[in-house]
Amino acid sequence: EVVLTQSPATLSLSPGERATLSCRASQSVGPYLAWFQQKPGQAPRLLIYQASTRATGIPARFSGSGSGTDFTLTITSLEPEDFAVYYCQSRNNWPPEFTFGPGTKVEIK
Amino acid sequence: QVQLQESGPGLVKPSETLSLTCGVSGSSTSSGHYWGWIRQPPGKGLEWIASVSHFGTNYYNPSLKSRVTLSIDTSNNQFSLNLNSVTAADTAVYFCARLLRLGSLDLYFDYWGHGTLVTVSS
Repeated sequence: EVVLTQSPATLSLSPGERATLSCRASQSVGPYLAWFQQKPGQAPRLLIYQASTRATGIPARFSGSGSGTDFTLTITSLEPEDFAVYYCQSRNNWPPEFTFGPGTKVEIK
Repeated sequence: QVQLQESGPGLVKPSETLSLTCGVSGSSTSSGHYWGWIRQPPGKGLEWIASVSHFGTNYYNPSLKSRVTLSIDTSNNQFSLNLNSVTAADTAVYFCARLLRLGSLDLYFDYWGHGTLVTVSS
């Protein structure tokens, strides 16, 4: 089973600042990692898949990087609507069992 | 526009079976996509429950496998979840989702339903 850890648990930043979120996997997951954004009362929204590919309609200020066990989500300049919880997600090779990280909350400083 | 909508009882008694259905529009359950269920207890993180392929092969979270049944109804473009012997620990918002399939092992939850809160209580 792949275990994902995310850091920090909470990130306090101001609009316009850069956010850097980390996700670490307990074993190599190759490039098979996704990032989601979730706002209160809403379903998660896919931001990034294959570690670095932006999903349809996701602004360019969101970028993902990494491979293997260490991954990063970067938001270059925080907009007011970006304050939310962010989850990373991956899966075992076979059978496809999916795992989510515990989340990083990006809050307004 | 792909849309998913969960439906089912919002209250289930302990030891009974939780049954939810996900209706799909804008995408076909008989296409090459996979379909899945994820839950989120109040104030907590996301937990994958199970997924089903378009030809009916199921994949389960090992921690829930003994209590979960998935089915897919391609004629009505929907898929369903049954979780038996529920306890208060199964109280959560339940989401259904589509899995974008980019390769045999390359699967991502790209479209989600809004979620439905299921409370387990007598």
